[in-house]
Amino acid sequence: KQEVTQIPAALSVPEGENLVLNCSFTDSAIYNLQWFRQDPGKGLTSLLLIQSSQREQTSGRLNASLDKSSGRSTLYIAASQPGDSATYLCAVPSGSARQLTFGSGTQLTVLP
Amino acid sequence: DAGVTQSPTHLIKTRGQHVTLRCSPISGHKSVSWYQQVLGQGPQFIFQYYEKEERGRGNFPDRFSARQFPNYSSELNVNALLLGDSALYLCASSATSDNGSPLHFGNGTRLTVT
Repeated sequence: KQEVTQIPAALSVPEGENLVLNCSFTDSAIYNLQWFRQDPGKGLTSLLLIQSSQREQTSGRLNASLDKSSGRSTLYIAASQPGDSATYLCAVPSGSARQLTFGSGTQLTVLP
Repeated sequence: DAGVTQSPTHLIKTRGQHVTLRCSPISGHKSVSWYQQVLGQGPQFIFQYYEKEERGRGNFPDRFSARQFPNYSSELNVNALLLGDSALYLCASSATSDNGSPLHFGNGTRLTVT
């Protein structure tokens, strides 16, 4: 059974810092890995999707890496801003359906 | 283009009652999935539908059921509500039934059971 872990559970940084969020998964036979952002009480916004054949994906100040062999992914946020404050979740497909297994998320607070 | 839309946004029900949640996928998306998110946790998979057929079911009791309509919209039904059913219910759509395309989520329906 696939399990996804995100560390740390919460992170608070001053504005302008570069930061790394971590995601680990137990079954390395994944098809892809997706990072999401969730604002309080809201749905999930897809940030990046990394296919299993890729090692990195970039979108603006966000860069996600994937190391299948070690069962890890990182989300790098450059020059953090208060507007980046949210919960960040990673997820991997499980089973044959569009079933994603999620981590519990990292709650990020960027202080002005 | 409109994203995934869900209704209602908030709902308060009493234990034992029944609830129906609705979802309209992104135009052109034929796959709809439902997730339950309890406070402080990641979403848990409930169902996936593609072309009106159930393609996957998570570890939820038979009180939970769903269906997809010819226009690809979907309903999630929960019978005999329990306090533990209080959660944010998320609907997601995708262009394909497999894992090749990203999931796009709606803003969810916040269900409170008292």
